[in-house]
Amino acid sequence: SAVISQKPSRDICQRGTSLTIQCQVDSQVTMMFWYRQQPGQSLTLIATANQGSEATYESGFVIDKFPISRPNLTFSTLTVSNMSPEDSSIYLCSVGSRSGMRADTQYFGPGTRLTVL
Amino acid sequence: DAKTTQPTSMDCAEGRAANLPCNHSTISGNEYVYWYRQIHSQGPQYIIHGLKNNETNEMASLIITEDRKSSTLILPHATLRDTAVYYCIVRAPSNDYKLSFGAGTTVTVRA
Repeated sequence: SAVISQKPSRDICQRGTSLTIQCQVDSQVTMMFWYRQQPGQSLTLIATANQGSEATYESGFVIDKFPISRPNLTFSTLTVSNMSPEDSSIYLCSVGSRSGMRADTQYFGPGTRLTVL
Repeated sequence: DAKTTQPTSMDCAEGRAANLPCNHSTISGNEYVYWYRQIHSQGPQYIIHGLKNNETNEMASLIITEDRKSSTLILPHATLRDTAVYYCIVRAPSNDYKLSFGAGTTVTVRA
């Protein structure tokens, strides 16, 4: 399985500011994803980070609020823009890996805990 | 992807087997059953997956009923470190790798 790191691990930010979260993988991967986990809730997929092209966003998430970059096959960033307290969540990066019998799995980073005041 | 139903919570005794049920009565023939868990303040961790045969790895066993409408994740000797939220997810292989997480089962292992 891939080793995934995220920076920062946590941050406290003021409303109206932006934060960029980095995700680094120790090997080249095809698929990278960004999830949000609001307090006490399950994970919700924000977008798929596509290498060399614009990210693919899920319903309810837009590029202006969550711009994503993926310059190569091992690195991606998620920016949370113009933050409000409602953006306080854990943001998680994951990568897709294909295993046997055409099944596939995802491996997750440790997450970035964001608090917006 | 088919919907899954899991109990909200369950307690297990340390050292005993923990049996986590999951119902997926609308599962399709090409859909796999995946299990992930999330220990507090960490990212989700892949545990195991299967199509129709029972599967076992170093972490757990997955028992899928013959009609594939339900499955059970078995942690053979639960430890306090197995306390986590366990997610049962059903999905077909595709090129998008997407996972849809439900509420999961909060498992508490007690000494």
